[in-house]
Amino acid sequence: DQQVKQNSPSLSVQEGRISILNCDYTNSMFDYFLWYKKYPAEGPTFLISISSIKDKNEDGRFTVFLNKSAKHLSLHIVPSQPGDSAVYFCAASGTGSARQLTFGSGTQLTVLP
Amino acid sequence: ETGVTQTPRHLVMGMTNKKSLKCEQHLGHNAMYWYKQSAKKPLELMFVYSLEERVENNSVPSRFSPECPNSSHLFLHLHTLQPEDSALYLCASSPSSGGGQETQYFGPGTRLLVL
Repeated sequence: DQQVKQNSPSLSVQEGRISILNCDYTNSMFDYFLWYKKYPAEGPTFLISISSIKDKNEDGRFTVFLNKSAKHLSLHIVPSQPGDSAVYFCAASGTGSARQLTFGSGTQLTVLP
Repeated sequence: ETGVTQTPRHLVMGMTNKKSLKCEQHLGHNAMYWYKQSAKKPLELMFVYSLEERVENNSVPSRFSPECPNSSHLFLHLHTLQPEDSALYLCASSPSSGGGQETQYFGPGTRLLVL
């Protein structure tokens, strides 16, 4: 059973608008969450992370929100640019048996010019 | 060279062949990882090495054999693979002992096709 789920396999957004990518998790032991971006023929590139002691982390156009009670996190990209078109993976890790990264299946974001 | 590099980038092999994938990290990290990514599926962790010792083996078939001669190099030896082993194989590294609140940095991957 998948412990990290990205229920939207794809998302299309107009350039300049906000992109919101969602991720849900089930394991209560997860306390560190990351977003990776992946272009075709390249490996995943680290984008932004958040620890469970925070509910928001911002880096330029990218903001990650964490709702621990709902076991939900989201990545906001504002404003979206065509170069942001890629597959975005959510990942989580924690302690004990959850110490290794567990990935979601990814969301393909397409930013339309 | 910077970051994490992988060779070859593409590999086609028959089921009776033996081949090896190579990964090298130039980040001074202590932990290295092998992942498998099949189409439309999450990345699956295969092996974790910390300070050259294997600390995780995620129920991977014995036809995949990892080797970590030092903290900068990681190999994945392949023999008698099956067509369902065709996938993107990704190497990653992280600063410390593997796991926990650490960011992993990935190489570009090797696209493997088993005929």
